[in-house]
Amino acid sequence: GENVEQHPSTLSVQEGDSAVIKCTYSDSASNYFPWYKQELGKGPQLIIDIRSNVGEKKDQRIAVTLNKTAKHFSLHITETQPEDSAVYFCAARSGASSASKIIFGSGTRLSIRP
Amino acid sequence: NAGVTQTPKFRVLKTGQSMTLLCAQDMNHEYMYWYRQDPGMGLRLIHYSVGEGTTAKGEVPDGYNVSRLKKQNFLLGLESAAPSQTSVYFCASRAGLQVSYNEQFFGPGTRLTVL
Repeated sequence: GENVEQHPSTLSVQEGDSAVIKCTYSDSASNYFPWYKQELGKGPQLIIDIRSNVGEKKDQRIAVTLNKTAKHFSLHITETQPEDSAVYFCAARSGASSASKIIFGSGTRLSIRP
Repeated sequence: NAGVTQTPKFRVLKTGQSMTLLCAQDMNHEYMYWYRQDPGMGLRLIHYSVGEGTTAKGEVPDGYNVSRLKKQNFLLGLESAAPSQTSVYFCASRAGLQVSYNEQFFGPGTRLTVL
């Protein structure tokens, strides 16, 4: 089955600097890669996603890149702000069917230093 | 819309006790999921359902049962709770059927402690 690995597990950056979180996946048939943000005491919330026919996607200060050949994808946050502090999860949908399960990485705790 | 709601928010059980966690969604979603979240292990899928009356096992189904008698509700049961089931449980739903509707919407979570 699909396996998703996420690094680093914790990340601390100075406010205003950029943060990068990296994930790898094992199932070459995976075609959908969402990123979720979880704030303290809340459930995860989708912040950006990318499909396998796209190499990069941006939404304001966040961007995601996908390298299908290497089977890895990354989340980039620029000009970080205190409200970016949270746990971030990458995920991959295993298989081509829309009914396929989504497998999550182990999470990255991002802290923004003032 | 309330989105995805979970009941209860917190619960403490003794080993061997049983309980049911309730998840409800008002978005008419086809797919529903139960995950558990443990430190350093991310979200692991327990069971899921692709429609009313259907359920399937996820990554870590042992010790849990589920039912989806109504489209809007997905119940997670623990027949005989064990300390290893201490965790935060999240329910999620997804529209399904159409490929373009991929986003999973999560509930606020249930924090369960088994003594």
